[in-house]
Amino acid sequence: EAGVAQSPRYKIIEKRQSVAFWCNPISGHATLYWYQQILGQGPKLLIQFQNNGVVDDSQLPKDRFSAERLKGVDSTLKIQPAKLEDSAVYLCASRGQGRETQYFGPGTRLLVL
Amino acid sequence: GENVEQHPSTLSVQEGDSAVIKCTYSDSASNYFPWYKQELGKRPQLIIDIRSNVGEKKDQRIAVTLNKTAKHFSLHITETQPEDSAVYFCAAAFDYKLSFGAGTTVTVRA
Repeated sequence: EAGVAQSPRYKIIEKRQSVAFWCNPISGHATLYWYQQILGQGPKLLIQFQNNGVVDDSQLPKDRFSAERLKGVDSTLKIQPAKLEDSAVYLCASRGQGRETQYFGPGTRLLVL
Repeated sequence: GENVEQHPSTLSVQEGDSAVIKCTYSDSASNYFPWYKQELGKRPQLIIDIRSNVGEKKDQRIAVTLNKTAKHFSLHITETQPEDSAVYFCAAAFDYKLSFGAGTTVTVRA
């Protein structure tokens, strides 16, 4: 089966600019996660979707980050405006119904200058 | 929320030797404990996992042990090979939400 797809793979922006990331989960996976992985650290959960509804966004900095999954399949994560500390890899993961394993995409590496 | 601590942060082993990575977690409700391997610039990949009703699980050269009373779990890699060099992350989950440790960089010396 095809894995989790993400784009773009790399993005360089100036601080205060906006950026958006896209994720396409494994077909049929109802649950989708966005993680932020800062260099040298483990992934940190930002938001979890079940179909097109938000399950947990308690760690999402809502003043600048937003995410949506309108049709319950693809998802976008947006940062507006970006700060230097947002430089990280943004990982998307998906999970099948009733299964525990999360499958990760290749990530988008963001550099904010 | 869940707090996962992982040790050591770096580990260098001679090819053929064993490697052990240890993690502790804080939330006694956590019931699923996966280990991910991440090579440089690549996605994290699940290598083994264990559920709270099991004390030990083995898959070829990799094994994981879980002590629920002490709230710690460990990854054991035997007969290490150069391709085992990577960053390894432990995680603990409750209600399908993963909390990751900070990672262990494993280097296998030829």
